[in-house]
Amino acid sequence: AQTVTQSQPEMSVQEAETVTLSCTYDTSESDYYLFWYKQPPSRQMILVIRQEAYKQQNATENRFSVNFQKAAKSFSLKISDSQLGDAAMYFCAYRNYGGATNKLIFGTGTLLAVQP
Amino acid sequence: DAGITQSPRYKITETGRQVTLMCHQTWSHSYMFWYRQDLGHGLRLIYYSAAADITDKGEVPDGYVVSRSKTENFPLTLESATRSQTSVYFCASSVNPYTGELFFGEGSRLTVL
Repeated sequence: AQTVTQSQPEMSVQEAETVTLSCTYDTSESDYYLFWYKQPPSRQMILVIRQEAYKQQNATENRFSVNFQKAAKSFSLKISDSQLGDAAMYFCAYRNYGGATNKLIFGTGTLLAVQP
Repeated sequence: DAGITQSPRYKITETGRQVTLMCHQTWSHSYMFWYRQDLGHGLRLIYYSAAADITDKGEVPDGYVVSRSKTENFPLTLESATRSQTSVYFCASSVNPYTGELFFGEGSRLTVL
């Protein structure tokens, strides 16, 4: 069974600085997707960024980028120029490619605080 | 407005009572999911549905029942609520099983006394 591990329960960053959230996963599959979701205090889960395992290029969305290391099964999220609105719980998630279902497997989350 | 909505947003009930959490989506997404969120566990899948009248168990299905008679609705029922079912419940939907992006509702916080 696949698993997702986020080893940092809490992180803190100064406004305008850069922070990296860690995520590792375990799978025997070669094709899969990885995601970072953001959950602000409003509780709504919001997709931040997505990475397809077959793509070597790291995904980027504005100030958010990932460092995808397939061999190491690592998928870290880098937030540049941190803003107060980035304060939230961040979840790493994994999904197998294809198949009849679409189940995401989540890590336990990292709570990010942004200090002014 | 289009989207996915959950009701109620907050619910307090007593042990042994039946509770139903509603989920409605306006996109006609085929796939729908129920997750529960607990501290230290992240989100865990309770049940999912690939289409109307097709449902299947997830990681933690015990004590829950789902149905999907219409594509847009996916209610979750706790037939006899227990304190261990105190949690925040999220409904989600997805149109594309290959990109895997899920769209989440705002969550329903359930407290079982």
